[in-house]
Amino acid sequence: AQRVTQPEKLLSVFKGAPVELKCNYSYSGSPELFWYVQYSRQRLQLLLRHISRESIKGFTADLNKGETSFHLKKPFAQEEDSAMYYCALMNRDDKIIFGKGTRLHILP
Amino acid sequence: GAGVSQSPRYKVAKRGQDVALRCDPISGHVSLFWYQQALGQGPEFLTYFQNEAQLDKSGLPSDRFFAERPEGSVSTLKIQRTQQEDSAVYLCASSLGHSGANVLTFGAGSRLTVL
Repeated sequence: AQRVTQPEKLLSVFKGAPVELKCNYSYSGSPELFWYVQYSRQRLQLLLRHISRESIKGFTADLNKGETSFHLKKPFAQEEDSAMYYCALMNRDDKIIFGKGTRLHILP
Repeated sequence: GAGVSQSPRYKVAKRGQDVALRCDPISGHVSLFWYQQALGQGPEFLTYFQNEAQLDKSGLPSDRFFAERPEGSVSTLKIQRTQQEDSAVYLCASSLGHSGANVLTFGAGSRLTVL
């Protein structure tokens, strides 16, 4: 069965400190992985996807197939990064499932 | 349209009533997904379509839930005999639906409250 696990419900980080949001997945094939973000009073939107291998708003995520992880990282947190972050997995049938999310709170 | 449109934005239903939630995806988007998001939780997969074909409905909680997309565009999620546990935000999302273009664009959601 495919599953996405985000172990932290809430992560509080001081402004300027590094951020790491954890995501682990369970899937027997080669998944496509995403991070979606929801800022206060806004719609859920894509942050980044692993096949693009790009940095968005200073965030990066590397797919580690050995550890079945896709952790989201940023070296220096900014106050505007406060939001809900969801890791998502797409299977070979294009079905997309989400983790339960992590609330990132940046402290001034 | 410019984005994914959902209606109604808010719906209050008495227990036992039937409700219908509508989703207008982005024009030309092949894939359409429905998710249920309870308070403080992540989006839980309900069902998805490619054009008019419902490819997976394994997430629908019971046979009271029914979704359709008859012409491969607008979709309706119907909930019969609503129960209090159906209270949630129902999110619709669409995508171009082919390899390399499976990024979801979400609607604002329909918040259902069952009294």
